[in-house]
Amino acid sequence: DQQVKQNSPSLSVQEGRISILNCDYTNSMFDYFLWYKKYPAEGPTFLISISSIKDKNEDGRFTVFLNKSAKHLSLHIVPSQPGDSAVYFCAATKSSGDKLTFGTGTRLAVRP
Amino acid sequence: DTGVSQNPRHKITKRGQNVTFRCDPISEHNRLYWYRQTLGQGPEFLTYFQNEAQLEKSRLLSDRFSAERPKGSFSTLEIQRTEQGDSAMYLCASSRNRGRGYTFGSGTRLTVV
Repeated sequence: DQQVKQNSPSLSVQEGRISILNCDYTNSMFDYFLWYKKYPAEGPTFLISISSIKDKNEDGRFTVFLNKSAKHLSLHIVPSQPGDSAVYFCAATKSSGDKLTFGTGTRLAVRP
Repeated sequence: DTGVSQNPRHKITKRGQNVTFRCDPISEHNRLYWYRQTLGQGPEFLTYFQNEAQLEKSRLLSDRFSAERPKGSFSTLEIQRTEQGDSAMYLCASSRNRGRGYTFGSGTRLTVV
């Protein structure tokens, strides 16, 4: 049972344009959501997070949007840079718990 | 201290052999986690410790798997009688706060031949 889903395995965008990565979840108990970025041969690196009491969180070029009624979140990267090329994982947790449930990832390629 | 350290980075072993991996978390982090990642999948939770206490184990952690954190600092993950299906990246992470993101190590890639 995949509780966190990333339905797009890959995405390609032009440098300078917006990248939008999507994530859906099914468990209504999740109340904290995170995005991680992963380069080959490295562990995932924390990027940005959002609590369910918010619908938007912004950090520089990265913005995460949360739509609780649709159980959907998205990560916007503006402007996209070649160094953003990596696999992006969406993750969810209950703030009362500790383990993260990850999606399957979206591979982003930013073309120069 | 610059992050979570995992050793070895790579391990190739024959089916049926035992393997042990080590994780050194960030020193002030009292929570330590083990995850497993297979090709095309996201990391899957295996187990976690708060200090030396193992507080939760996933059903993915069969009887062949055992994890310890004897002094509340480093942790070891042992797999006995390895099977080809155990081939994966084993990731360790640590955190200070509950219910928030944590810092991952670079992982140990296990290949069982």
